[in-house]
Amino acid sequence: TQLLEQSPQFLSIQEGENLTVYCNSSSVFSSLQWYRQEPGEGPVLLVTVVTGGEVKKLKRLTFQFGDARKDSSLHITAAQPGDTGLYLCAGASKTSGTYKYIFGTGTRLKVLA
Amino acid sequence: ETGVTQTPRHLVMGMTNKKSLKCEQHLGHNAMYWYKQSAKKPLELMFVYNFKEQTENNSVPSRFSPECPNSSHLFLHLHTLQPEDSALYLCASSRGTGSNEQFFGPGTRLTVL
Repeated sequence: TQLLEQSPQFLSIQEGENLTVYCNSSSVFSSLQWYRQEPGEGPVLLVTVVTGGEVKKLKRLTFQFGDARKDSSLHITAAQPGDTGLYLCAGASKTSGTYKYIFGTGTRLKVLA
Repeated sequence: ETGVTQTPRHLVMGMTNKKSLKCEQHLGHNAMYWYKQSAKKPLELMFVYNFKEQTENNSVPSRFSPECPNSSHLFLHLHTLQPEDSALYLCASSRGTGSNEQFFGPGTRLTVL
């Protein structure tokens, strides 16, 4: 069974702190997405990474795709209360000739003012 | 109206009721999805439709019955549900099933009494 493990599962930090969320798998992904979900809403796409080693920046968020395309990280600099939410990674990998798109286990982030 | 909309946003039903969830996408996408999101579980893919045709049924019990009359609309018909079916039901769309970037609706919070 393919699995995308995210760590940590929960994170509560003070405003202004930095943090990193990890997304790991034993499968190779053709691309990987990061989403943020706020309470009462659906996930919103943040970024797509495609190339091994790729780094993308979105304001204070930095996303990196592992060289082997099996893992990814999300780093937030100077976190703000508006960053609070559930962060989900997701990716498509090929198994037995079929692409399966799976979501990670999620990291629930709370940023305190 | 833009994006992906879902109605109702909240639904409470008894185990003998029949109800339907509705999803509409205004993005010109060809693929639509139903997901179930329960507490402490990763997002679970239920059904995939591509150009109105069902391409994936992830071993979902028959008490959940999807309908896709066209590429913009997706329904989930519910009958004789169980309390453990209480969850957030999310609809998503993408350009095609080969496109990994999915756009989600706000979800329907379902409670089965």
